[in-house]
Amino acid sequence: QVQLQQWGAGLLKPSETLSLTCGVYGGSFSGYYWSWIRQPPGKGLEWIGEINLSGSTNYNPSLKSRVTISVDTSKNHFSLKLSSVTAADTAVYYCARERVKGGFGELGYWGQGTLVTVSS
Amino acid sequence: DIQMTQSPSSLSASVGDRVTITCRASQDISYFLAWYQQKPGKAPKLLLYSASRLDSGVPSRFSGSGSGTDYTLTISSLQPEDFATYYCQQYYSTPRTFGQGTKVEIK
Repeated sequence: QVQLQQWGAGLLKPSETLSLTCGVYGGSFSGYYWSWIRQPPGKGLEWIGEINLSGSTNYNPSLKSRVTISVDTSKNHFSLKLSSVTAADTAVYYCARERVKGGFGELGYWGQGTLVTVSS
Repeated sequence: DIQMTQSPSSLSASVGDRVTITCRASQDISYFLAWYQQKPGKAPKLLLYSASRLDSGVPSRFSGSGSGTDYTLTISSLQPEDFATYYCQQYYSTPRTFGQGTKVEIK
């Protein structure tokens, strides 16, 4: 059974770069799209973007200028970087995988979530 | 971007009640719709995809229907473990977008 385990810094100052990594265990890494989603405290879900192993990415236009999603196939990891953070980027960040290979975007597997707080 | 509008934003119901949540897309999404359940402090869990297909292990009291721009999640007989927040998500196009959520509370 595939498991996604995520990690990264939980407290940032304004203007710093958020950096999170998601490790994939117990399942195939290839053939899927790998996604990042965030959820501000008490609010709804916002899709950040996705990547496949070919390096093809799709980003939310609202964040595109600040977001980079990358993949490390040697480690079965994928990562999120969000630059120039502000308090508005405070959220729980989730990594996720589509339900099946060649699926169309339904997210069947999720990491545990990482609370990232931006505060001076 | 495709806007997803859920209603209601919250509801109160009793165990055994039939509950219906609706999701409207700003354009035709051709059944590319998923429903998720989220409990406090937990990641969302996929319930249905392709508007009406149950994910593995999801109880049959959950069902989905709809087409075009209008979709519905129905819980036929609400159970204690179903009190949670539910989100719809379109994956017809990027950016993927979610509804604002429907919180199902105990009456």
